[in-house]
Amino acid sequence: RKEVEQDPGPFNVPEGATVAFNCTYSNSASQSFFWYRQDCRKEPKLLMSVYSSGNEDGRFTAQLNRASQYISLLIRDSKLSDSATYLCVVNGGKLIFGQGTELSVKP
Amino acid sequence: NAGVTQTPKFRVLKTGQSMTLLCAQDMNHEYMYWYRQDPGMGLRLIHYSVGEGTTAKGEVPDGYNVSRLKKQNFLLGLESAAPSQTSVYFCASSYSKLGGPADTQYFGPGTRLTVL
Repeated sequence: RKEVEQDPGPFNVPEGATVAFNCTYSNSASQSFFWYRQDCRKEPKLLMSVYSSGNEDGRFTAQLNRASQYISLLIRDSKLSDSATYLCVVNGGKLIFGQGTELSVKP
Repeated sequence: NAGVTQTPKFRVLKTGQSMTLLCAQDMNHEYMYWYRQDPGMGLRLIHYSVGEGTTAKGEVPDGYNVSRLKKQNFLLGLESAAPSQTSVYFCASSYSKLGGPADTQYFGPGTRLTVL
């Protein structure tokens, strides 16, 4: 089992749609969690950290479920500019990156 | 403030050749990292450094060496390149050790390396 697993997608959605990504992790001692965004052939950039109580940043909502060992990212009202690969990142003493979930938002 | 820069951006090597990738950051970060990214594999840590003069092995260190002679620079060397080292290499830096609120990693733009 991979340490961090994501559905690779691609997720193809129309503008304005709501889309959710899930990510599972195997190390129950993991301490912190993040979502990074990576545009095609560019470097990853931090989108948001994921806090135990869940957190929101505009159209983006991140949730953590420690009991089930998964985190999620919800994007509401999708924009064309949201098209990218979203990387789930888990810190269990070292950063482990998921392979990413590709999102394509169509007009 | 350039952030994290990497040189070169692209390189093609023949099997057995050597090269050095340079990473520089101007954010006064203590921690620096080298990753490789391959299709379907996610980012994998090659080596990292927790401060000037220190280096440590990551998940996939074989075939690579690193040096951190200056705080702002982190060099990745390939002594004898192999086709399996064809990849995109990213350097990153962070202010603090992972797990704290200031542990965001800032990535460079990447180096695309092809080994023939």
